[in-house]
Amino acid sequence: ETGVTQSPTHLIKTRGQQVTLRCSSQSGHNTVSWYQQALGQGPQFIFQYYREEENGRGNFPPRFSGLQFPNYSSELNVNALELDDSALYLCASSLANGGANEQFFGPGTRLTVL
Amino acid sequence: AQSVAQPEDQVNVAEGNPLTVKCTYSVSGNPYLFWYVQYPNRGLQFLLKYITGDNLVKGSYGFEAEFNKSQTSFHLKKPSALVSDSALYFCAVTPTSGSARQLTFGSGTQLTVLP
Repeated sequence: ETGVTQSPTHLIKTRGQQVTLRCSSQSGHNTVSWYQQALGQGPQFIFQYYREEENGRGNFPPRFSGLQFPNYSSELNVNALELDDSALYLCASSLANGGANEQFFGPGTRLTVL
Repeated sequence: AQSVAQPEDQVNVAEGNPLTVKCTYSVSGNPYLFWYVQYPNRGLQFLLKYITGDNLVKGSYGFEAEFNKSQTSFHLKKPSALVSDSALYFCAVTPTSGSARQLTFGSGTQLTVLP
């Protein structure tokens, strides 16, 4: 069974640029959630995708967008990067769209915005 | 809106002693509750969850947690701490109803087990 993988591991961008982060979900999982974890804080929910449709969104502006593909992998896109976007971005997958199922997290992508 | 409070930023305990990491929550209706652990430069690892039934939940690596509905708490415990338990611990909640199963996390508690 392959776990959740994310790429790239680290990324450095400048203000105003755009970035795409990628996530491969665990085998058999059809739900992917994205979280932002700023330094010293708990993860904050960005959005969730279930069977290629956005299925809930946290308090993040529209410049944060995503996609889920037929193989359930996912992308997080952030436009017009700001300094405060510097954080660890975590992807999590789960089996079916049920809250009782634990989410399995990838190692994260560390984004630094200069 | 749901929320989680972890009142202690830091917990220190001697190896071999019992440990407790505290968590209280607020959610509309009934909760699903989770504990995750994060090691440096790593993602979160699932430890245990409360869904329904027995209030005492047992999880990975000898950890357990007790759900207390009246106190809206879900404290993490371990009878005998190991140095390797030193890590950042997060409590999380999601409601049992609603479409999006977003996890709401606490701010985390840094556990240090001293040899």
